[in-house]
Amino acid sequence: AQSVAQPEDQVNVAEGNPLTVKCTYSVSGNPYLFWYVQYPNRGLQFLLKYITGDNLVKGSYGFEAEFNKSQTSFHLKKPSALVSDSALYFCAVRDKNDYKLSFGAGTTVTVRA
Amino acid sequence: NAGVMQNPRHLVRRRGQEARLRCSPMKGHSHVYWYRQLPEEGLKFMVYLQKENIIDESGMPKERFSAEFPKEGPSILRIQQVVRGDSAAYFCASSPSAGLETQYFGPGTRLLVL
Repeated sequence: AQSVAQPEDQVNVAEGNPLTVKCTYSVSGNPYLFWYVQYPNRGLQFLLKYITGDNLVKGSYGFEAEFNKSQTSFHLKKPSALVSDSALYFCAVRDKNDYKLSFGAGTTVTVRA
Repeated sequence: NAGVMQNPRHLVRRRGQEARLRCSPMKGHSHVYWYRQLPEEGLKFMVYLQKENIIDESGMPKERFSAEFPKEGPSILRIQQVVRGDSAAYFCASSPSAGLETQYFGPGTRLLVL
């Protein structure tokens, strides 16, 4: 079985400050990890993924995420948040040998000007 | 290259009617996945299809729900005799294969059952 936990329902930061959205996962085998962002009444947009290799993954719009195997975490980060980053963020995991994505419940990010 | 297309974007049905949701994958993608997002929840896997084949429908309710991906045309998710609990956003994703590939999502169809 595989699962994802996003411990924070909401994250609020001021524009220009660092942004972190937390994600921990559980999977029986090697994890493939993903971050998606959802704007109101829109579909999910792919941000980045970890498959193998460097633990620090860089993605779209200045986002990055760090894979930490010992802590089973894959936190999303952005050094300097923008108001336009306000959205709903989903972490997802799949086992290496599976295709089904398991999603967290999502974290609503609000960046205030 | 157009992304994943879904239509309609919004669908209103009365209890007992049928809902048909369509998904056209990205060009070159032959793998389609359907997910459902209930209010205040993350997405839940429903079904995985390749052209003309259902690979995994373990996440789909046994009754009233069916899915297909014909040789020609879009993938269809069909819900018969809808009930209020079917109200949700239904997302389709596609990938070129099922291995390491990223799943790219469409804009979703928001179904409201009155």
